[in-house]
Amino acid sequence: EDKVVQSPLSLVVHEGDTVTLNCSYEVTNFRSLLWYKQEKKAPTFLFMLTSSGIEKKSGRLSSILDKKELFSILNITATQTGDSAVYLCAVAIYNFNKFYFGSGTKLNVKP
Amino acid sequence: KAGVTQTPRYLIKTRGQQVTLSCSPISGHRSVSWYQQTPGQGLQFLFEYFSETQRNKGNFPGRFSGRQFSNSRSEMNVSTLELGDSALYLCASSSQGSENSPLHFGNGTRLTVT
Repeated sequence: EDKVVQSPLSLVVHEGDTVTLNCSYEVTNFRSLLWYKQEKKAPTFLFMLTSSGIEKKSGRLSSILDKKELFSILNITATQTGDSAVYLCAVAIYNFNKFYFGSGTKLNVKP
Repeated sequence: KAGVTQTPRYLIKTRGQQVTLSCSPISGHRSVSWYQQTPGQGLQFLFEYFSETQRNKGNFPGRFSGRQFSNSRSEMNVSTLELGDSALYLCASSSQGSENSPLHFGNGTRLTVT
C-alpha cells in the first residue's frame, strides 16, 4: 500500500529557531515529492523534488530528497511567527495526476 | 493569473441530501483533481479529470462523483450525504497533468453534514 509518513506531527518552537520536518514514503512508481504550506485553507506550493541530493532553496526554506532511503526533509531557518502552519508532504506517482499526501506537521512558532 | 476558485465556501446540509461543489481551475490548466481533507484522515484523493475524462479515482464510494466541462471547470457531487462526509473539499488544478507539474489548490468548500 502506498503511503507517506510525516514527522513530527506537531512542533512548537520560538522565533529564530531552526526546524527540520521529515517525510518518508513508500510508493510504487515514484515520480516526484512536493512540499506544501497550509495556513488557513488552500495549501500553497513550496517545492517539487525529483532528483536525489539536489537541494531546493527559497529564502529561509530548503528541502532535499533521498531516493535511496525514501525520504525528504524540509528545513526552515530563523523561524518567524508567519511560518506557523501545517506543512504537507505529497508524493506523485506515474499514474496520471495522482498524489499521496502525508498527514502533515503542524508547526507553531512562538514570539 | 487568477487562482483556483471554489464555490461555495461553506455548506451546511442534512443527512440524506445531496450537494454539488464547483471548481474553476487556473486559466490554461486542463487537469482538475478533488481531495477530501479531514482531521483524522488528512488529504484523501477523490478523482482527477483531464479534458472532460476521469483518469483516476480514489477509494471513495459511488456516492461521490464528478465531471469536467469543456472549459475545464469541474463539479463534484455527493449524494445521500452521511455525517462522515463533513470535511473540507479541496480542488486542485495543474497545467497538463504531465511530469513536473505541481497541484495548485483552491481555498476549498467546507461541508458540514448534520
